[in-house]
Amino acid sequence: NAGVMQNPRHLVRRRGQEARLRCSPMKGHSHVYWYRQLPEEGLKFMVYLQKENIIDESGMPKERFSAEFPKEGPSILRIQQVVRGDSAAYFCASSPSTPDTQYFGPGTRLTVL
Amino acid sequence: GDSVTQMEGPVTLSEEAFLTINCTYTATGYPSLFWYVQYPGEGLQLLLKATKADDKGSNKGFEATYRKETTSFHLEKGSVQVSDSAVYFCALNLRRDDKIIFGKGTRLHILP
Repeated sequence: NAGVMQNPRHLVRRRGQEARLRCSPMKGHSHVYWYRQLPEEGLKFMVYLQKENIIDESGMPKERFSAEFPKEGPSILRIQQVVRGDSAAYFCASSPSTPDTQYFGPGTRLTVL
Repeated sequence: GDSVTQMEGPVTLSEEAFLTINCTYTATGYPSLFWYVQYPGEGLQLLLKATKADDKGSNKGFEATYRKETTSFHLEKGSVQVSDSAVYFCALNLRRDDKIIFGKGTRLHILP
């Protein structure tokens, strides 16, 4: 059973560009979570999604950030008009139900120049 | 609010030394408690967990006991190896919602 997959693993963007981060949950998992890790910090919750629904987005910045988990395909975290402060590692996790253990992907490391 | 506090690193030990990484939490209700490990350049791996008071989680020689009276979940290992060098995160899940709350992490260096 493949683990949680994220791509790309590394993403470089210039200020003002858009960043799209993808997450494929483990097989059989319908719950997806996104977390952000700033340098030398712990992970901070951003958003929780189920298929076609955003359940909890209390950790998402109010502007420029959006997330989706369509009926088919991976979950997408989208950051518009990136700024240097968006540079971080973004981790996706999935679980088969809730509440349940969350399994993490390898992360996408976003660098904004 | 709900939070996790763990000892600051880095922690540097010699191989075969005894390890303790302290973790305390503040939470309303009865959280599940976790230790995650992050090896260089990788994502987080679940190391162990405990879901109720007095439960002991264990894995790969690591142990932690859920202490409700002291709101603690300290990580211990009797004899560390160089391969244990990583960042360790203590975390909780409140179960009434779905977010995991993480501590800031403790970087561990094991010298041969």
